Amino acid sequence: DVQMTQSPSSVYASIGDRVTITCRASQAMSNWLAWYQQKPGKAPKVLIYDVSTLQSGVPSRFSGSGSGRDFTLTISGLQPEDFATYYCQQADRFPLSFGGGTKVEIK
Amino acid sequence: QVQLQESGPGLVEPSQILSLTCTVSGDSITNRNYYWSWIRQPAGKGLEWIGRVYKTGSANYYDPLKSRVSISLDTSKNQFSLALHAVTAADTAVYYCARTKSRGWYGDWFDSWGQGTLVTVSS
Repeated sequence: DVQMTQSPSSVYASIGDRVTITCRASQAMSNWLAWYQQKPGKAPKVLIYDVSTLQSGVPSRFSGSGSGRDFTLTISGLQPEDFATYYCQQADRFPLSFGGGTKVEIK
Repeated sequence: QVQLQESGPGLVEPSQILSLTCTVSGDSITNRNYYWSWIRQPAGKGLEWIGRVYKTGSANYYDPLKSRVSISLDTSKNQFSLALHAVTAADTAVYYCARTKSRGWYGDWFDSWGQGTLVTVSS
């Protein structure tokens, strides 16, 4: 199975900050990686798929990059509505698996 | 705009069967472009994929759950269902259904989710 390790597990940031979240796979992958945002009591919402493709309607301040084992989600110019937990998800091979999550909190 | 809605008992006794249904509106579960998945999340923890089903009824499951789980379709009602047998307290979680974009054997991602339903396993 492919294990996904996210870091950091939490990050404190201010409005306008640039935030970077990393996801490392236990083995090299093709470009089948997605990122989700989850707010308390709500279902996750897809932000990015195929490493760097922005889902329709998602603000352009969200971007994704990476290859091999290391992938990154970047939020450029943090907004109040961005405080949430973020998860990566690999779809390179079954079983599909998620990272442990990164909570973005207000500094 | 596709919408998904989970339904089922919120409390299940240990060793019994957890049964949930996802009702889909705004799309057909026979749409060849999508699979339909179940994902769960224990309180305060991360997400765990349970399995997916295609319009043909063909399903794939998370190996540790494979002996206890089945996912099926009811095309007449545009619903798909989850059955998890012999539940324990460890199966207590919020259960989500999700529409799944896939390339077949790779490239899955979840583009629409239900709101989630909490299922507690307790006597």
